[in-house]
Amino acid sequence: AQSVTQPDIHITVSEGASLELRCNYSYGATPYLFWYVQSPGQGLQLLLKYFSGDTLVQGIKGFEAEFKRSQSSFNLRKPSVHWSDAAEYFCAVGASQEKLTFGTGTRLTIIP
Amino acid sequence: NAGVTQTPKFQVLKTGQSMTLQCAQDMNHNSMYWYRQDPGMGLRLIYYSASEGTTDKGEVPNGYNVSRLNKREFSLRLESAAPSQTSVYFCASSVPLAFNEQFFGPGTRLTVL
Repeated sequence: AQSVTQPDIHITVSEGASLELRCNYSYGATPYLFWYVQSPGQGLQLLLKYFSGDTLVQGIKGFEAEFKRSQSSFNLRKPSVHWSDAAEYFCAVGASQEKLTFGTGTRLTIIP
Repeated sequence: NAGVTQTPKFQVLKTGQSMTLQCAQDMNHNSMYWYRQDPGMGLRLIYYSASEGTTDKGEVPNGYNVSRLNKREFSLRLESAAPSQTSVYFCASSVPLAFNEQFFGPGTRLTVL
C-alpha cells in the first residue's frame, strides 16, 4: 500500500527567506506525486504535480518540487516566501486513477 | 462558474441524528470524491464516484453512505451520527484522465455531540 510522510508538522520561516517542505513516499512503482495548499478555512488547491519526465517541476505561486527516486522524496521549495504563503501544505501520492493518499500536512507560519 | 460547492458550511448534530451533506460541481467532471480531514491525519477518502451511477468505498467508509444523484451532484449521508464523525468534510471533483487535478470545495465543518 502507498503512504506519504511529511515529517515536519509545523515550520516557521521569516518573510523573504527560502523554504523547503519535506515529503517522503512509499510506493512500489513510479508514483504520481502532488503538492496541495490549504489556506485557513478553505479547500485544497493544487500547487504542482509530477507524473514523469523532468524531475524538477514548476508550479503556481513560485513553488517548485524535485522528485528524487533514490530518496523516495518529493520536496517542495520556494526561494523567497511571502506572508501570503502562510497555509497548510499537503503532499499526496496516487497509485490508481481515483485514489490519492495524502500526508498529514505541514503548517507554515511566516514571521515578518 | 462556481466550481465545487458544499452545503451546509457548518452543522452541529446530536449523537444518533442523521444528515446529508450536499456537493455539486459545475465543471462537467466525471469523478467526485468525499474526504474527511482530522487534525494530524491529513485527508482520508471516504467514498468516490468515477462516473454517474457508480460509487466505491475509500479508506474510511464505515458509518457513511453516498449517492451520485447525477453528473453534478454527489451527496454524503450519515445515518446515525457518532462523535467520531466530528470532522471537516471536503468534496472534490476531477476529470478522470491521467491524474488530472482534483478541485476541492470549501468544506463542511461537522460537530457531533
